[in-house]
Formats: sequence, structure tokens, C-alpha cells
Amino acid sequence: GAGVSQSPRYKVAKRGQDVALRCDPISGHVSLFWYQQALGQGPEFLTYFQNEAQLDKSGLPSDRFFAERPEGSVSTLKIQRTQQEDSAVYLCASSLIRTQSNQPQHFGDGTRLSIL
Amino acid sequence: SQQGEEDPQALSIQEGENATMNCSYKTSINNLQWYRQNSGRGLVHLILIRSNEREKHSGRLRVTLDTSKKSSSLLITASRAADTASYFCALPIIQGAQKLVFGQGTRLTINP
Repeated sequence: GAGVSQSPRYKVAKRGQDVALRCDPISGHVSLFWYQQALGQGPEFLTYFQNEAQLDKSGLPSDRFFAERPEGSVSTLKIQRTQQEDSAVYLCASSLIRTQSNQPQHFGDGTRLSIL
Repeated sequence: SQQGEEDPQALSIQEGENATMNCSYKTSINNLQWYRQNSGRGLVHLILIRSNEREKHSGRLRVTLDTSKKSSSLLITASRAADTASYFCALPIIQGAQKLVFGQGTRLTINP
């Protein structure tokens, strides 16, 4: 596709349920990022992939959060045993080149997760 | 913290006026990026300015960078209703991955 695609756009889950959020990056983009954005705040980094390798997961808030990108394209962010504080917008971004910090990141429209 | 801090947090102006947003940061950078986010949407990259640049233009956007003051400004000239959005400055972490650190943003409202 032309841009980064995320699904679902909205997800409502009960506390304690597991959820899976999907990201389809721009074709050919090597780098993929997940961010968490609380209401009225800027995005906060969660994790980063270079192709299929997860090179940085320092932003994942707990071991309930897990991300994968097994074939170096589509990525899934999984949250186990969801809690109310997990409610946020989860943004995925991709960029073309792997090592340079001067590459713009291209964002999807996010998944708005609400935990009841 | 390398997080940028935007100022003001909110700005409301009339269509046609210029809007100026500022970003201050604390550590050394090799570039600074500005992004726009419309309500309910993802972020859109606007402009990147490198540490050896002082000013950069893109259409109605003008970005300045003062590394001695550790600050940057984004100027939108001749604002339009469609410019209503939140604007974020983002700093790339130099070491390790290219993750971006965002500020809290400036919420800009353009009144028709």
C-alpha cells in the first residue's frame, strides 16, 4: 500500500484479556517502530525492529507487552492480561534506511485501545 | 532527558495570521524533526533540520534551529483552517536505534 496501515483502528477489551495489534509498514521499509500515545501527550517509544530483528525493546512497559516481525514486514504488538493503564493509542511507524537517524518516520493512523 | 518541550501548549489564532511554535531541548543533537498530527490520525513528517543548519523552508513552513540556545521554532505563515492540528518536535536518539523522543506538542487551532 501507499502508507503504513494499522488494524484494527479501534479495539475495546475487558481487563485481563489479551489483544493483538497489527502493523503493515510501507513496502521495502527496513525499520519499524511502535509508539504508545496517551491522551494529550506525545508518542512514547516502545520498540524497534530492523527487518525481523528486534534491536531495541527498552520502551516496553512490562513483560506483558510483546512484539514480533517474523518475516521482516508485518509486525504484531501483543498485550497480555490487559490493564486499564494500557488504554492508549498505539502507533506504528516505518522508515526506509536502517541506521541513519536523519530519515523521517512514516506513521500509521494508530489503534485506539480501550480497556474496560 | 532528551525530550523536547514545546511552547506554547496551545495556540489559537485567526486564519491568515502566522503561527509560531517553539521547542527547547537539553542534550546535543544531530538533527531535529517536526511532525503534525491531525485529530485521530497518525503523525506526518513536516521537516528535518540538521544541527549544522540554521534555517529551513518548506512551502509555508519555516524552521529555525539555534544549537547554542538548544531551541528550535516552527513558523507557519498565512495560516489556514486545515493547519489546525497538534505539532510535535522530535529528537532522534543518537546512540543505538533511531527512535524518536517527542515532546508534548503544541495544539494549534486556526479560527475561520
